[in-house]
Amino acid sequence: AQSVAQPEDQVNVAEGNPLTVKCTYSVSGNPYLFWYVQYPNRGLQFLLKYITGDNLVKGSYGFEAEFNKSQTSFHLKKPSALVSDSALYFCAVRDKGGSYIPTFGRGTSLIVHP
Amino acid sequence: NAGVTQTPKFRILKIGQSMTLQCTQDMNHNYMYWYRQDPGMGLKLIYYSVGAGITDKGEVPNGYNVSRSTTEDFPLRLELAAPSQTSVYFCASTSDRGNQPQHFGDGTRLSIL
Repeated sequence: AQSVAQPEDQVNVAEGNPLTVKCTYSVSGNPYLFWYVQYPNRGLQFLLKYITGDNLVKGSYGFEAEFNKSQTSFHLKKPSALVSDSALYFCAVRDKGGSYIPTFGRGTSLIVHP
Repeated sequence: NAGVTQTPKFRILKIGQSMTLQCTQDMNHNYMYWYRQDPGMGLKLIYYSVGAGITDKGEVPNGYNVSRSTTEDFPLRLELAAPSQTSVYFCASTSDRGNQPQHFGDGTRLSIL
């Protein structure tokens, strides 16, 4: 079985400050981990993924995420938030040895204040 | 590349009506998915397909049907629309390589009145 938790429904941050959106996961084997962003009235867009190798993954729009196996976490980060980063963010996990059905978190709404 | 295209973008149905939500992708992906998104509930998988002619139920299949006659197309059918099916529906696809992300369409916003 696999699951994902995004413990915060909403994250508020001031423009220019660093941001973190949290994600923890559970899988039987080794995980594939993904972050997606959703802007209003749009579909989910891929941001970055962890497959193997370096624990720090860099993605689109200056976002990065750190894979922590011991804490089973994959938190999304950005050093300096922009108002345009305001959106809904989803974490997803898939077990490498499992089916092609990922499990998504419930989403975290990021609000960046000017 | 257009990616994943969904039509229509918006639709209002009356209770008991039927309709088909269209989804097509031009990336030659074998894996396709239908999700519904309700506020604060994330994505719920309705049906998925691993290739032409093969479909399977997700976690919320009741009230829906799908078919996959070609690699490109994966339509979702609502036979007897109910208010509980008011939602935003997303189609997604991915390649056979397991480490690839899903590509999503921009959704169909459906209201059942």
